[in-house]
Order: sequence, then C-alpha cells, then structure tokens
Amino acid sequence: DAGVIQSPRHEVTEMGQEVTLRCRPISGHNSLFWYRQTMMRGLELLIYFNNNVPIDDSGMPEDRFSAKMPNASFSTLKIQPSEPRDSAVYFCASSYGGLSYEQYFGPGTRLTVT
Amino acid sequence: GESVGLHLPTLSVQEGDNSIINCAYSNSASDYFIWYKQESGKGPQFIIDIRSNMDKRQGQRVTVLLNKTVKHLSLQIAATQPGDSAVYFCAENMNYGGSQGNLIFGKGTKLSVKP
Repeated sequence: DAGVIQSPRHEVTEMGQEVTLRCRPISGHNSLFWYRQTMMRGLELLIYFNNNVPIDDSGMPEDRFSAKMPNASFSTLKIQPSEPRDSAVYFCASSYGGLSYEQYFGPGTRLTVT
Repeated sequence: GESVGLHLPTLSVQEGDNSIINCAYSNSASDYFIWYKQESGKGPQFIIDIRSNMDKRQGQRVTVLLNKTVKHLSLQIAATQPGDSAVYFCAENMNYGGSQGNLIFGKGTKLSVKP
C-alpha cells in the first residue's frame, strides 16, 4: 500500500488566494482526519470524517476553512481566502475506526501564505 | 514561517542507553492514550497505545506506563538507537472505541541520540 497520499507537498500562495489541499486515505480505512501543525500551537485536529461523514469539525479555525469527503478515497481541505497565519504543515491521516485507533499519517503539505 | 515558537523539551541520551519520555495529560476522563514519533520532514508515526484499564503495555523495545492517579504517561525506549532521534508526542482521547471524542496532542519532546 502506498500509504496516505497528500498533494501538493508544498504550496506557496499570496494572501487572499484560495488554497485546496488533497488527501487520499489508505484503502479500507473508514476514518479520515485533517491536522494542522505549527511551532506555536503544535499538532491540532481540525476535522475528522467517519464513513465520509464529518463527525467533529470543532477544530476548524473559522469559516474560511472547509473540508469535504465526497467518497471513501478522497478528501479536500480548502482555505478561502488564505491569510499569512494559515501558514503551517497540514497533515491528513486515516484509520480503521474513530479517534481511538492507530492513525496513519501522510507526509503533509507545507503551506506558506505570503 | 514561524520565527517565534515553542522550545520543545529535549532529551539527549547516549546510544545504547534507555530513554524515558514523560507526558502529563489534562483530563481525568481520558480513557485512551497513544504515543507518536515524528521524524524531521515526515508525518507522525504510531508507536504504541494503551487503554485506561491498563497501567503498562510493552511493544518491541518500547514500554508505555500509565499512572492515572497523577495523570502521567511515560514512554520507555530500551537500547536507544540513532534512528530513534525524533520528536515524540503523547495524545489522549476521552472516548475509547467510540466515533466521538477529542484527540488532544501534547507539545512533544525532542529525543536526541548521541552515537
């Protein structure tokens, strides 16, 4: 298995632009998670899906952030409009079930908003 | 990028020695705990987990100890190797086995192994 796949690996954009991050979970996993990691705040859970349904989005910072999971093999995290404070590494992870099972993380997308 | 940020606690050990990484968790209702390892430029990688009905669990070269009385979790690595150099995170969840909950990660400890 190729593991969790994220794209792009690096994204540099200007403030105000729309950013879309993509994730393909491991085949057969039914839970998908989006995280953000910064030096100031560490690793934060933004949102997670179970069987393609958003379960908890309380970690999403504000309305500029949205996430979708149209099918079991694909998810997007969108930021519109982006701001410099959104600069971070965004990780996607998947697992066989819920929060209390081993999660497999992707390599991350490093986002820089100038 | 970030020019000001957290200074992670750092543990420096000699190759071959045992390492102990500590974590204080916040919620007495948490019933599931997990340790992750993150190497530079990579995503976190699962090491070992433990449920609140246990106080010790062993894996290959790693042992996790849970002290619910003082809300403390530790990760012991036996015969530490250079490849163990990484940042180690503990995480807690309050709803083991359920689909709900809130997985909270600690800030991490940087382990540096000297050859």
